[in-house]
Amino acid sequence: QKEVEQNSGPLSVPEGAIASLNCTYSDRGSQSFFWYRQYSGKSPELIMSIYSNGDKEDGRFTAQLNKASQYVSLLIRDSQPSDSATYLCAVNRGSYIPTFGRGTSLIVHP
Amino acid sequence: DVKVTQSSRYLVKRTGEKVFLECVQDMDHENMFWYRQDPGLGLRLIYFSYDVKMKEKGDIPEGYSVSREKKERFSLILESASTNQTSMYLCASSSGQGGEQFFGPGTRLTVL
Repeated sequence: QKEVEQNSGPLSVPEGAIASLNCTYSDRGSQSFFWYRQYSGKSPELIMSIYSNGDKEDGRFTAQLNKASQYVSLLIRDSQPSDSATYLCAVNRGSYIPTFGRGTSLIVHP
Repeated sequence: DVKVTQSSRYLVKRTGEKVFLECVQDMDHENMFWYRQDPGLGLRLIYFSYDVKMKEKGDIPEGYSVSREKKERFSLILESASTNQTSMYLCASSSGQGGEQFFGPGTRLTVL
């Protein structure tokens, strides 16, 4: 059974801080990794994808992948109240269907 | 700009009705998916399709069917709606294998 685990939270951080979201996965054959942001009542929106070990930066977002330890993380620098959402981690071993975690709720308070 | 659209944002139906949810994508993606999302249960795959007229069951296909007559359109059918099918329904599309999925805005279905 392929599993993707995320702490459900909520993770509460002050405005301007770094938010760190973590995700672990069980399938060692996983090849592609994604982070989605989902605002309450809305659909998931892709914010980052990462395919190789190391860091990938896009604006205030950095995705970090460590395949040996089977975890992927998302760092949000200079967190804003508008970053408050649920963040879904998704992992794919090269098939049609990714495995999603249940998400971590992030609250950024002013 | 990639786009997945769904026919309704909110829908209210009665128990026993046949319900059609439509999804259209304009990205020429081969793959299309239907999920439902419920609090505490995460995303659950109902059906997916990797080509026109092809369909595969997901984790929770019971009570649902699908149709894909054209590449851009994927329909979810609730044959006889029941109250336990009240949920948020999300359509997604992707290209190839291993790639990212793009989601539509979702349909919040309430079955009374």
